[in-house]
Amino acid sequence: ETGVTQSPTHLIKTRGQQVTLRCSSQSGHNTVSWYQQALGQGPQFIFQYYREEENGRGNFPPRFSGLQFPNYSSELNVNALELDDSALYLCASSLGLAGTEQYFGPGTRLTVT
Amino acid sequence: GIQVEQSPPDLILQEGANSTLRCNFSDSVNNLQWFHQNPWGQLINLFYIPSGTKQNGRLSATTVATERYSLLYISSSQTTDSGVYFCAVAFNAGNMLTFGGGTRLMVKP
Repeated sequence: ETGVTQSPTHLIKTRGQQVTLRCSSQSGHNTVSWYQQALGQGPQFIFQYYREEENGRGNFPPRFSGLQFPNYSSELNVNALELDDSALYLCASSLGLAGTEQYFGPGTRLTVT
Repeated sequence: GIQVEQSPPDLILQEGANSTLRCNFSDSVNNLQWFHQNPWGQLINLFYIPSGTKQNGRLSATTVATERYSLLYISSSQTTDSGVYFCAVAFNAGNMLTFGGGTRLMVKP
């Protein structure tokens, strides 16, 4: 069974640029959720995709957008990067929706200078 | 709004000691998970426990859903137990996790 994978591991971008982060869900899982973890804080929910449709969104601006593909892998796109976007971005996969266990990938550490 | 509170925020133990971490939440849950975050940022699943009691080796967890709290017990702590422990809950059908602030555990040899 393949776990959740994310790429890249680390990324350095300049303020104003755009970035795309990628996530491959665990085998058999059809739901992907993205979280942002600032230094010293708990992860915060960005959005969730279920069977290629956005299924919920946290308190993040529209410049945070995403996609889920037919193989259930997912992308997180962030436009017009700001310094405060520097964080660890975590992807989690699960099977179905309500009350199912989520499994996290190793994360992508984004630094915006 | 939705609240998840963890206590204590910081904990220092001597190797071999036992500890109890607490998670209080403000509403009925359909998912509650405990995680250990290692120094590289990986969230490791410890327990999926929206209700009841589970044990896995030196770790055990209990969730009393009616009273809106969960406890994580660590017995005979080891230095490798060091790190941050997060409780996360979901309150709705979308299974979007809300995390507590974490408990930072340091186990000294």
